[in-house]
Amino acid sequence: GNSVTQMEGPVTLSEEAFLTINCTYTATGYPSLFWYVQYPGEGLQLLLKATKADDKGSNKGFEATYRKETTSFHLEKGSVQVSDSAVYFCACWSNDYKLSFGAGTTVTVRA
Amino acid sequence: DAGVIQSPRHEVTEMGQEVTLRCKPISGHDYLFWYRQTMMRGLELLIYFNNNVPIDDSGMPEDRFSAKMPNASFSTLKIQPSEPRDSAVYFCASSLRTGGTDTQYFGPGTRLTVL
Repeated sequence: GNSVTQMEGPVTLSEEAFLTINCTYTATGYPSLFWYVQYPGEGLQLLLKATKADDKGSNKGFEATYRKETTSFHLEKGSVQVSDSAVYFCACWSNDYKLSFGAGTTVTVRA
Repeated sequence: DAGVIQSPRHEVTEMGQEVTLRCKPISGHDYLFWYRQTMMRGLELLIYFNNNVPIDDSGMPEDRFSAKMPNASFSTLKIQPSEPRDSAVYFCASSLRTGGTDTQYFGPGTRLTVL
């Protein structure tokens, strides 16, 4: 089935720094791609998604562009805040109708 | 809507005991998923249901694990007997459909500790 690979963490940044978390996918066709975020002590919640090639998903200052040429869906934010400290998961739909998650990247933003 | 509700939020039990985790999906969602999250293995899909029927249980680790969905608003994940290696955070999620563009909505999880 389809799968994603995301950069390992942890990532530690200062406030207002630029954040990039790399995610690449292996898939048959062009499945929808997602970024989920998990704040401490909570469940995962959808951050953004893109349903077809060249789509850009955006939310809360985060962006990710579905790039079929490089099979990537990197997450970016131009100026992070302490409240962005969380675990970020890249995910894609698999051919067997399951959501395949990456290993997660822990991001810590320091004031 | 209150979102996906899970209970209990924390469970501590001793090895060999039966553990039952509960989930109430978002009303109107036809799909329900059970996941397990550990540091070593990340997020694993255990089983999912469509309209209360189990569709894929290939992720259930062994016969000690069982899941049921007696109606559209309730599901249980049972471990009997429990073992220390079952210690993890168990998430329930629901969605309107599966595949394509569909978003899964996760509950807050149940943190299980088996001593």
